[in-house]
Amino acid sequence: DAEITQSPRHKITETGRQVTLACHQTWNHNNMFWYRQDLGHGLRLIHYSYGVQDTNKGEVSDGYSVSRSNTEDLPLTLESAASSQTSVYFCASSDFSGASSSTDTQYFGPGTRLTVL
Amino acid sequence: GENVEQHPSTLSVQEGDSAVIKCTYSDSASNYFPWYKQELGKRPQLIIDIRSNVGEKKDQRIAVTLNKTAKHFSLHITETQPEDSAVYFCARRASNTGKLIFGQGTTLQVKP
Repeated sequence: DAEITQSPRHKITETGRQVTLACHQTWNHNNMFWYRQDLGHGLRLIHYSYGVQDTNKGEVSDGYSVSRSNTEDLPLTLESAASSQTSVYFCASSDFSGASSSTDTQYFGPGTRLTVL
Repeated sequence: GENVEQHPSTLSVQEGDSAVIKCTYSDSASNYFPWYKQELGKRPQLIIDIRSNVGEKKDQRIAVTLNKTAKHFSLHITETQPEDSAVYFCARRASNTGKLIFGQGTTLQVKP
């Protein structure tokens, strides 16, 4: 069955270190998204991609970067981890292709809990 | 603006009662409105969605209503059960984009 996976599921790191969170989907979806989830803030969009070589900033992109070299993967990199980036990170994908698209559903990965000490 | 306002932030009901969660938005270009349920420690999962050309949609005990004029949409859960306890998120998608803007979530507690 198609799925979306994230690794690692839990990560503890130190302030200033570079961290990369992996996201892999086998749905063959063009669209991939990274969110962070914090109490009181719901799901906030960090970065997203509509296809290979395409990346876009979301509402909370400072301190994060992504790259899309193939359809299946969208790794999220924290260039220099800060304590404010302690959060749960969710990756999602969808097959939305335009206003007339009949497939809108975003499917979420299981999440990565990141702690920055 | 882009935000989706979701109310209430917490909701406690007795088993068997109904629960209603409401979301408002301001972008009239929004045309797709999903609802996600997130159980503790789990990923958000789609439970129902509605498009702007429809006013209401039902799926067993769950229904969503949309008022495009007033720019609000609501989730209705009837005959609530303890397993309905979770955090519920509404979201909107603006026309021609694939990204969703989420509300801040409602924690629903169903007391047996």
